[in-house]
Amino acid sequence: DAGVIQSPRHEVTEMGQEVTLRCKPISGHDYLFWYRQTMMRGLELLIYFNNNVPIDDSGMPEDRFSAKMPNASFSTLKIQPSEPRDSAVYFCASSSQGWAYEQYFGPGTRLTVT
Amino acid sequence: GENVEQHPSTLSVQEGDSAVIKCTYSDSASNYFPWYKQELGKRPQLIIDIRSNVGEKKDQRIAVTLNKTAKHFSLHITETQPEDSAVYFCAASIKGLSGNQFYFGTGTSLTVIP
Repeated sequence: DAGVIQSPRHEVTEMGQEVTLRCKPISGHDYLFWYRQTMMRGLELLIYFNNNVPIDDSGMPEDRFSAKMPNASFSTLKIQPSEPRDSAVYFCASSSQGWAYEQYFGPGTRLTVT
Repeated sequence: GENVEQHPSTLSVQEGDSAVIKCTYSDSASNYFPWYKQELGKRPQLIIDIRSNVGEKKDQRIAVTLNKTAKHFSLHITETQPEDSAVYFCAASIKGLSGNQFYFGTGTSLTVIP
């Protein structure tokens, strides 16, 4: 298996632009997690899905952030409009058994908003 | 909500010595405690985990201990090697009324000096 796949690996955009991050979980994994990592705030869980359904989005910072999972093999995290403080590494992770089991992280997307 | 504190933030040890990283959590309902290792520029990867019904778990040079009464858990690495140099994150998972949440500590940057 190729593991969790994320695209793009790097994204540089200007403030106010829409940004879409993509994730393909490991086949057969029913749980998908989106995280944000910054030096100041560390690793933060933004939202997670179970069987394509959003279960807990309490970590999503504000309405500018939205996430979808239209099918078992694809998820997106969208920021609209983007702001410089959104600059971070965004990780997607998947798990076959849920939140209390190993999560397999993707390589991350490094987002820079200028 | 949960609060996970991790200490120390940086740790330097001589090769062959032991390293200990400690985490405390605030919610007694927390029941799953994983440790992730993140090498520079890479994704976090699970190295060991423990559940609330177990006091200690060992895997070769790595061990984790859990004290539920005191609400703290620790990572122990023996016979450290240069390849152990990385950032280590503890985490705690809690099953709440609105869903499950996952909280990471702020990370410990471990340097093993050859």
